[in-house]
Amino acid sequence: DAGITQSPRYKITETGRQVTLMCHQTWSHSYMFWYRQDLGHGLRLIYYSAAADITDKGEVPDGYVVSRSKTENFPLTLESATRSQTSVYFCASIGGADFTNEQFFGPGTRLTVL
Amino acid sequence: RKEVEQDPGPFNVPEGATVAFNCTYSNSASQSFFWYRQDCRKEPKLLMSVYSSGNEDGRFTAQLNRASQYISLLIRDSKLSDSATYLCVVGAYSGAGSYQLTFGKGTKLSVIP
Repeated sequence: DAGITQSPRYKITETGRQVTLMCHQTWSHSYMFWYRQDLGHGLRLIYYSAAADITDKGEVPDGYVVSRSKTENFPLTLESATRSQTSVYFCASIGGADFTNEQFFGPGTRLTVL
Repeated sequence: RKEVEQDPGPFNVPEGATVAFNCTYSNSASQSFFWYRQDCRKEPKLLMSVYSSGNEDGRFTAQLNRASQYISLLIRDSKLSDSATYLCVVGAYSGAGSYQLTFGKGTKLSVIP
């Protein structure tokens, strides 16, 4: 199906483990984003990518790594998960470089770090 | 001062009521403005963009006041299905030259039968 998908939808892991959250979009959108959403903070940008092999830090990048070898995929890796990384993670994309366009979000991944 | 601030809510209103949400932003160079809607445990979805001249979409009216750095959303004739959290979103170029969207924390609306 066309759109933006995330996997897994739910994940429970332990402190210190590496976790990778997947994001896939079928529109060939240039820009992709990773946000985390926590109570009391709203959505905060972790990393974004303007195109394949181009990534940049957002507001809260520490403890996360991203890559974008293909336009359609934008995985987010927690190198050594901490409890403070328990959150809901949303992937999003925008077509082209026009940020007045709608930003489409994936369904989210609920991550719990024990 | 936080970059994008919204009414804390929650707003509990009866069906048919008119409700208004306010949002202020701190970056005077902001260039794009939106209202997103987020249902419980779901992803945000665009409700409407906000233009300088103000714009309307059915029961929803958005206004932008650049001088006061203020955005509003008016919902008329509230429906039960309007119950959600409404996110104010502002876009601007960062110091590094990249364009970023900043989200408010959201205002929760509950429409009561």
